[in-house]
Amino acid sequence: DIQMTQSPSSLSASVEDRVTITCRASQSINTYLNWYQQIPGKAPKLLISAASSLQSGVPSRFSGSGSGTDFTLTISSLQPEDFATYYCQQTYSTPPTFGGGTKVEIK
Amino acid sequence: QVQLVQSGAEVKKPGASVQVSCKASGYTFTNYGISWVRQAPEQGLEWMGWIRINAYNGNTHYAQKFQDRVTLTTDASTSTAYMELRSLRSDDTALYYCAREYAGSQVFDYWGQGTLVTVSS
Repeated sequence: DIQMTQSPSSLSASVEDRVTITCRASQSINTYLNWYQQIPGKAPKLLISAASSLQSGVPSRFSGSGSGTDFTLTISSLQPEDFATYYCQQTYSTPPTFGGGTKVEIK
Repeated sequence: QVQLVQSGAEVKKPGASVQVSCKASGYTFTNYGISWVRQAPEQGLEWMGWIRINAYNGNTHYAQKFQDRVTLTTDASTSTAYMELRSLRSDDTALYYCAREYAGSQVFDYWGQGTLVTVSS
């Protein structure tokens, strides 16, 4: 199975801060990388697919980049509703695997 | 609008089985697959398996970890997917989600609300 490692596991940030989360795959996954946001008590929500394709309705302050083994999720200006846990997921091979998550907390 | 509505919370004893349902609406059920993902308390997301849906039957693919204990099925007449997990253990206590995916991509664009399964003696 492909292992996905996210860093950091948690971070504290203020509203309007720029936030960057990284995800590393244990082998090359091309751009078969997705990002999800999970607000406490809610199901995950798909933000970005194929490393950089923003889902319909997702604010443009979210962006994704990377290919191969290293990927980044960036929130350009953190908003109150963005405090959540973020997961990366590889879909290059079965089983699809998730990173351990990055919890974004209010500073 | 697309919705996946799951059945309610369950409490089971060790060794028992549980079946969770996931009723889809707002799209053509047979055009998409359904995967099941679980989340133990304060833990991350774990993929359990996937069923490809068509009008006659569904091809399945299970995570090796659950291969011997899980069965995924669907009822196209009611647009409902089912996940059965057998031989429950305490570490199966988790939120179980169904999620829609397209063409085997395993990109989950819609999720159910989750079903809490508690395994306790």
